[in-house]
Amino acid sequence: TQLLEQSPQFLSIQEGENLTVYCNSSSVFSSLQWYRQEPGEGPVLLVTVVTGGEVKKLKRLTFQFGDARKDSSLHITAAQPGDTGLYLCAGLYSGSARQLTFGSGTQLTVLP
Amino acid sequence: GAVVSQHPSWVICKSGTSVKIECRSLDFQATTMFWYRQFPKQSLMLMATSNEGSKATYEQGVEKDKFLINHASLTLSTLTVTSAHPEDSSFYICSARRELVKNIQYFGAGTRLSVL
Repeated sequence: TQLLEQSPQFLSIQEGENLTVYCNSSSVFSSLQWYRQEPGEGPVLLVTVVTGGEVKKLKRLTFQFGDARKDSSLHITAAQPGDTGLYLCAGLYSGSARQLTFGSGTQLTVLP
Repeated sequence: GAVVSQHPSWVICKSGTSVKIECRSLDFQATTMFWYRQFPKQSLMLMATSNEGSKATYEQGVEKDKFLINHASLTLSTLTVTSAHPEDSSFYICSARRELVKNIQYFGAGTRLSVL
């Protein structure tokens, strides 16, 4: 069974602070996606990373894919209350049955 | 962009009744769709993979007779929770894989099922 560990599980910060969420596995991903989910809604895709070492930016969000494609991080700069939500990483493993494996999620709360 | 529609968004039913949830890909064809279950503040748990024109593949521990999946067309998959009980109350989410971009899954908005 392939495990995708996501940390931290819960994070509560003040508006304006920076934060980083981590997603780690012992296996190699062929691709990895980050989602954000709000209560009562489905996950919304934020980004897909495919190449080892790849860095993608989405406004104040920076996504990095590890060189070995076994880990990824999401960094949020100057967090705002609107960033509050459940952040999920999901990976497609090399040689897998073509289905995403989800991390355990990070519940982020940004206080005004 | 790609859109996946899930209906209903919220359903309340009596114990013992069956509930059908629909998942449609609106602007693309999806040979493969996925059904997930999610408990509050937890991640998504894959229940089954729905394959158009063939039987669904269920994850270990998921009762196939309890959660009936039908993928009759390239744009529609349904999940029927049969003889629902209060422990089946949960948030159910479907997703569809876009065929030309096979590592991208698009998610529906989810269905909140409450069984009384």
